Amino acid sequence: GAGVSQTPSNKVTEKGKYVELRCDPISGHTALYWYRQSLGQGPEFLIYFQGTGAADDSGLPNDRFFAVRPEGSVSTLKIQRTERGDSAVYLCASSPGGGTHEQYFGPGTRLTVT
Amino acid sequence: AQSVTQLDSQVPVFEEAPVELRCNYSSSVSVYLFWYVQYPNQGLQLLLKYLSGSTLVKGINGFEAEFNKSQTSFHLRKPSVHISDTAEYFCAVSDLGDYKLSFGAGTTVTVRA
Repeated sequence: GAGVSQTPSNKVTEKGKYVELRCDPISGHTALYWYRQSLGQGPEFLIYFQGTGAADDSGLPNDRFFAVRPEGSVSTLKIQRTERGDSAVYLCASSPGGGTHEQYFGPGTRLTVT
Repeated sequence: AQSVTQLDSQVPVFEEAPVELRCNYSSSVSVYLFWYVQYPNQGLQLLLKYLSGSTLVKGINGFEAEFNKSQTSFHLRKPSVHISDTAEYFCAVSDLGDYKLSFGAGTTVTVRA
């Protein structure tokens, strides 16, 4: 079956612009996660959805970052007033939920802020 | 908050030789442990996980890992590597009852003929 997909695969934007990154989870997966991976580092947790609601957004670095999952499937990560420090690979993962701890990752969106 | 330390950033190894990748974590509570692999230009793929039970966990592609609670370690091993094992390997931890993962910085394994 289809895995987790993320679009776009690459995004270049200018400092100060707004960007949206999209994640399509595996069909039927109720849990969805966003992580950020900076160069030379491991992924860093941003936010976790169970269904439509954000169950844990403790990893969002500041109020410029926001994520939604209105119908409990596709999720969009939104970054306002982008800064050069936001440049990273943004990873999305999904999980069947119900106590399953295995997360399936997408290929990521590489964001470059110039 | 969890802290995960991967003690080696780069591990060069010859084909058919054994390899061990070290991972230590800090936590005051019980944890779940994972190893993920990232092949060049691909997404993260789960190699193996420890949730409970036997401390020796077997994963895909001949990898195994051993959970040592007293040493707070979860080292990954493979007795004989292939060129195709060249990749970056990440150790990850989540607290019992939590789902978010805390990752180490990664270990790059380069297998040479």
